[in-house]
Amino acid sequence: GIQVEQSPPDLILQEGANSTLRCNFSDSVNNLQWFHQNPWGQLINLFYIPSGTKQNGRLSATTVATERYSLLYISSSQTTDSGVYFCAVGKDNDMRFGAGTRLTVKP
Amino acid sequence: EAGVTQFPSHSVIEKGQTVTLRCDPISGHDNLYWYRRVMGKEIKFLLHFVKESKQDESGMPNNRFLAERTGGTYSTLKVQPAELEDSGVYFCASSQDDVWGRLLSGNTIYFGEGSWLTVV
Repeated sequence: GIQVEQSPPDLILQEGANSTLRCNFSDSVNNLQWFHQNPWGQLINLFYIPSGTKQNGRLSATTVATERYSLLYISSSQTTDSGVYFCAVGKDNDMRFGAGTRLTVKP
Repeated sequence: EAGVTQFPSHSVIEKGQTVTLRCDPISGHDNLYWYRRVMGKEIKFLLHFVKESKQDESGMPNNRFLAERTGGTYSTLKVQPAELEDSGVYFCASSQDDVWGRLLSGNTIYFGEGSWLTVV
């Protein structure tokens, strides 16, 4: 199956700082999503981005499918951004989740 | 320690039939989640159990879907009657929790391999 690697595994920031989270994958995919896990464990969909660039407020994401990676940018981070960010990739219905990046934003 | 296991891994049924998917979370995990991805679309949340109680079932698409978690251990997701648009992959995930309803520091959510459903 597809291998998914997220980096860094842990990230600690001061409020207001910017960050970049990375997701590498081992095969061509036609689905890629970024999720934020809320304090209740539910996954909140941030972006559906198998290719290209999208922006939503302070968050943006870029997927370069030909080079098999995706980046999630968080600008002017806030304490509410803390949590685990997951990348999920797949081809057709073969979906795989990365291990996540745990982000801690300190006030 | 065994991870989250789902059964069956693949299922092909005819429209109108019933299918029951099962998820065994990691032992001791109170939280259990169901997600699905229908063909060509994004992964979407279905529902969340805390032990045997439904914490949030806002993502369940309609009343043809019934999820249960008797005894707070394994969960089943029944689709009855199945329709063509139900085809897709159904993911289950589990996580630990502390008594305040927050994830324990250092813990994360663990996903199963998914159950692929094809309705023909």
